[in-house]
Amino acid sequence: GEDVEQSLFLSVREGDSSVINCTYTDSSSTYLYWYKQEPGAGLQLLTYIFSNMDMKQDQRLTVLLNKKDKHLSLRIADTQTGDSAIYFCAERGSSARQLTFGSGTQLTVLP
Amino acid sequence: GAGVSQTPSNKVTEKGKYVELRCDPISGHTALYWYRQSLGQGPEFLIYFQGTGAADDSGLPNDRFFAVRPEGSVSTLKIQRTERGDSAVYLCASSLGVTREKRETQYFGPGTRLLVL
Repeated sequence: GEDVEQSLFLSVREGDSSVINCTYTDSSSTYLYWYKQEPGAGLQLLTYIFSNMDMKQDQRLTVLLNKKDKHLSLRIADTQTGDSAIYFCAERGSSARQLTFGSGTQLTVLP
Repeated sequence: GAGVSQTPSNKVTEKGKYVELRCDPISGHTALYWYRQSLGQGPEFLIYFQGTGAADDSGLPNDRFFAVRPEGSVSTLKIQRTERGDSAVYLCASSLGVTREKRETQYFGPGTRLLVL
């Protein structure tokens, strides 16, 4: 079946940029998403990209998609302590409605 | 608030008991999804409803799990003869249900944390 993988941990200094990476296996993926989860909370949609795009920018967030390598990244500019959370990459295939999630990357922002 | 709501927020039960988890989707959303999130993992798909019917239940782990959405709005996830391995956060999401870019975005509720002792 489809698989989505992410590195488990990332630490950055406040004010630096964070880059969270994700790889996926489903070549029919149509939409790819980034969700944020804070402790004890549900999933908050951050941004998404359609598979025919290679970049999307939304304020401090930049999503890059390399469809050939099936690689997705999320860059957070000027990372703040409030950005500390778990970030999930998710993909949706062309024939399915449900999302397949990675295991999440724990982002820690150090002062 | 116009978001997805789930009740209860926490549920503690004993092994072998029956539990029901409820989800209220965003008004007007025809698609509803249930996911299960175990500790340290990403959410895993359980079942998807389009309107009143279960369009895809391929993620349900076994026949102890069942979900309904009788009027196409509120959904209930039912777990019979609970086992300790069922302990997880059960997440519900909804979307407009139309296959256009933004309308397919799934919005998640806060989840129900189930603990089976």
